[in-house]
Amino acid sequence: AAGVIQSPRHLIKEKRETATLKCYPIPRHDTVYWYQQGPGQDPQFLISFYEKMQSDKGSIPDRFSAQQFSDYHSELNMSSLELGDSALYFCASSGEGQGNTEAFFGQGTRLTVV
Amino acid sequence: QKEVEQNSGPLSVPEGAIASLNCTYSDRGSQSFFWYRQYSGKSPELIMSIYSNGDKEDGRFTAQLNKASQYVSLLIRDSQPSDSATYLCAVNRQGGYDKVIFGPGTSLSVIP
Repeated sequence: AAGVIQSPRHLIKEKRETATLKCYPIPRHDTVYWYQQGPGQDPQFLISFYEKMQSDKGSIPDRFSAQQFSDYHSELNMSSLELGDSALYFCASSGEGQGNTEAFFGQGTRLTVV
Repeated sequence: QKEVEQNSGPLSVPEGAIASLNCTYSDRGSQSFFWYRQYSGKSPELIMSIYSNGDKEDGRFTAQLNKASQYVSLLIRDSQPSDSATYLCAVNRQGGYDKVIFGPGTSLSVIP
């Protein structure tokens, strides 16, 4: 079965650079979540989209932005990168819109800021 | 207070024993509850979901939900070394498709 696809899997950037992470949800899933997970930390919710509209916002820095496109893929744009942004970034998707739905995760993008 | 809390680890059990993982949540209106397993450096993998009070069994896993006590648990029977991982409890808030909130996780180690 198709899963959530994230790209790239690994990314190395220098401080103050920008990065774009991409997420392709499971087909027919209409909700996308982004999470950040630092070493030894639980996943921290950043932002979510439902039907291409932002549905909720968590602890996402102002330097970050995200959007969901017409084909339901999503991109997380990160600017003015800081060393503390180094983390695993997970995208998850769920289907059937509002309700009791299960979120499935992609393999993640490991971002290293040097 | 965190929205989702889990018993602190690490938890060590011998192979073949029952591992018991606990989770409490603060939002009384939460409707959906999930257990994810995460190996180091890997993405969380959904292993159980539960929506109504009581027990739900799937193979060696049993999830238990008590909404009145705002408590969710996961039992792993006949624990195997391959079960060694971090187990994340997650909660979707009332009526929510917006976000899933994770607990801090409990590290489980199954000793051969």
